[in-house]
Amino acid sequence: ETVMTQSPATLSLSPGEGASLSCRASQAIGTNLAWYQQKPGLAPRLLLYGASTRATGIPARFSGSGSGTEFTLTISSLQSEDFAVYYCQQYANWPPSYTFGQGTKLEIK
Amino acid sequence: QLQLQESGPGPVKPSETLSLTCTVSGVSLASSPDYWGWIRQPPGKGLEWIGSIYYSGSTYYNPSLRSRVSISADTSKNQFSLRLTSVTAADTAVYYCARHSGDYSSGWYGPTDAWGRGTLVAVSS
Repeated sequence: ETVMTQSPATLSLSPGEGASLSCRASQAIGTNLAWYQQKPGLAPRLLLYGASTRATGIPARFSGSGSGTEFTLTISSLQSEDFAVYYCQQYANWPPSYTFGQGTKLEIK
Repeated sequence: QLQLQESGPGPVKPSETLSLTCTVSGVSLASSPDYWGWIRQPPGKGLEWIGSIYYSGSTYYNPSLRSRVSISADTSKNQFSLRLTSVTAADTAVYYCARHSGDYSSGWYGPTDAWGRGTLVAVSS
C-alpha cells in the first residue's frame, strides 16, 4: 500500500500570504496525485489532478507541482475562503485503489 | 448535471451490518466509463477509501476492509450500494459515495471528481 504523508499538519497564515503544502508518497506514483479542499460539514472538492492540472472552476491561484514521491500544493495569495483542510490522494496502483494523506489544516493566523 | 445522494436506515448496533445506497442522477451507470465508490471520514479525522465498483460488477476494496465489505450496483435503479459487516464503534463515520473518473475499457482510472453530501452513520448500542 502506498502511504501518503502530508506536512505540516497545521499551517497558520494571513490572508494575502502565499501557502505551500507538501505531500510525500512512500513509493513513486508518477503524477497520479490529486488535491482536495474540505470545509467543515461539506464533502471534499477536487482542486487539482495529475499533480498540476486544475479541476473545472478552480482559481488560478491554486497550483500544483511534483512527480514521483514529492508533491506541493501552492496557493499564491490566500483568500478568506481558502482556509480549510487540504488532502492529497494517490491513484497510481492497479487494480484501482486510493490512499489519502492525513490532511493539512490551513487556518487564519 | 451529476448528483449523488446517500441513503440508509440510520444508526447501527455493534456486530450488525451497515447498509447504504447511493442514488445517481444525471448520469447512467450503465453508460458511464467511470468507477463508483465509497469513502468514509470518522468525526474529526481524515478520509479513507472503502472500495469502488464498475457498473458491470468489477469491484475493488481497501485491503484493510476487504473481509467485511461488499459493493454492488443496480443499473435498473441507477444505484450502487455498500454493505459493511460486523461493525464496531470504529466504523462510525460520515460515508460519502463518489465517482472516480476513469475508462474501464482501457484500464485507466483517475481521481475522485464528484461526491455526495455524505451521511453520518453512528455505531452504538
